Amino acid sequence: SQQGEEDPQALSIQEGENATMNCSYKTSINNLQWYRQNSGRGLVHLILIRSNEREKHSGRLRVTLDTSKKSSSLLITASRAADTASYFCATDANSWGKLQFGAGTQVVVTP
Amino acid sequence: DAGVIQSPRHEVTEMGQEVTLRCKPISGHNSLFWYRQTMMRGLELLIYFNNNVPIDDSGMPEDRFSAKMPNASFSTLKIQPSEPRDSAVYFCASSFTGTSGGGTGELFFGEGSRLTVL
Repeated sequence: SQQGEEDPQALSIQEGENATMNCSYKTSINNLQWYRQNSGRGLVHLILIRSNEREKHSGRLRVTLDTSKKSSSLLITASRAADTASYFCATDANSWGKLQFGAGTQVVVTP
Repeated sequence: DAGVIQSPRHEVTEMGQEVTLRCKPISGHNSLFWYRQTMMRGLELLIYFNNNVPIDDSGMPEDRFSAKMPNASFSTLKIQPSEPRDSAVYFCASSFTGTSGGGTGELFFGEGSRLTVL
C-alpha cells in the first residue's frame, strides 16, 4: 500500500510559472523525500527534509513539511520545459531507507 | 562514476518462462532495494537487503518471486514461472545505510527493466 498521496495527479503550466504539488502521508516519519522521474527513466532524488525541519530549499525547489498535518509540499519556481516529469514523494519511517512512494504528480511545462 | 546498473533494459517473454533481472549497485552502498512500478499500483517495494542480507521481503508478491544478493556488487530478482500480471518496470536502487540506521537517506535508482509477459 502507498504511504503518500500526491495532489494534484496532473499539472499543466507554462514556462516561467511556479508549480506546486502536495503530499499527504499516514504514519509518523523520519524523513520525507521528493523524486523526479522522466518518461522511461529511473527516479532521481531531488531533496530530503527531516521530520524536525519545516522548510528546505535547493536551487529552484522549495519543500515544506508539516508533521502535525502529515503533509508536505514541493514548489518549483520559474519552471522550465525540462521540468516536465512525474514527481513523487516518499516517506522513510525508520531511516533504514525503506521508502514508501506516493502515486506521483505528472507535471507538463509548455514553452 | 557509474550509477546503478540494471539488465536487461527490456525483456519480452511468454507466460511460464523464467525471468532473471540483474542489478549492480553503486560501489560502497550497503543497501539494495527492488521496486516494481505499474500504472495501477504505482511503485511497490518488493524486497530490500542490507549488507547482502534480506531484511524485509514482505512486498514479494508470491513464491514465484525470489531475490538474491550473493555479494555486495550483484543482485538478482527471479520470477519463475512468469505470468502476464508480472508485466511492469522493475527498478533496483541502492543507498548507504549506517549500522544504526542512519545514512544519507536518498536512494539511487537504476534505469529499470521493462518486463512484458505475453
